[in-house]
Amino acid sequence: AQKVTQAQTEISVVEKEDVTLDCVYETRDTTYYLFWYKQPPSGELVFLIRRNSFDEQNEISGRYSWNFQKSTSSFNFTITASQVVDSAVYFCALEGGSSNTGKLIFGQGTTLQVKP
Amino acid sequence: DGGITQSPKYLFRKEGQNVTLSCEQNLNHDAMYWYRQDPGQGLRLIYYSQIVNDFQKGDIAEGYSVSREKKESFPLTVTSAQKNPTAFYLCASRISGTSSSGANVLTFGAGSRLTVL
Repeated sequence: AQKVTQAQTEISVVEKEDVTLDCVYETRDTTYYLFWYKQPPSGELVFLIRRNSFDEQNEISGRYSWNFQKSTSSFNFTITASQVVDSAVYFCALEGGSSNTGKLIFGQGTTLQVKP
Repeated sequence: DGGITQSPKYLFRKEGQNVTLSCEQNLNHDAMYWYRQDPGQGLRLIYYSQIVNDFQKGDIAEGYSVSREKKESFPLTVTSAQKNPTAFYLCASRISGTSSSGANVLTFGAGSRLTVL
């Protein structure tokens, strides 16, 4: 069975603090894909990053960085110097490579509140 | 600009009524999806379609129906058989298959919020 767990339901930080959102996944597929999406108050999910199971290289994009560790089945997301505009719900998701159907398994989501 | 249009944004329904949520995309994507979002439960897949005139049940298909008569359109009907239909519904689409980077990315619409009175 495939599963994604985001243990942090809500996080509240003050602007300019760094914050890490945790994501742990379970899958038996050897090929799989991991995603992070952001859902602002408007409701639309915005794609942030995709990582395939063969690429454990960490990635940095501006204030965002992602740490993928297969050994611990984790794909954590860090926002450096958080801003009020980062306030949103963040979802981690998994797609097994064997199906190729586009069926994503989502975590429960982490609500991030950045206070000024 | 290309994208996904969901309508209506807000919908109220009386118990026992069927309602249909619209999803239209002009991205020329092959595959389309319907997800349901409830507080604290993430998104769960209702139905998906990888090609016109074909669709498959997702994890929570009971009480819902879909059709895929056109590539651009994938409407979702919430029937009276759905016991707890109040939720936020998200439609998504993507190009089928994989790219050089791996699985193609889902593009989402802005969602429809259904409330049963």
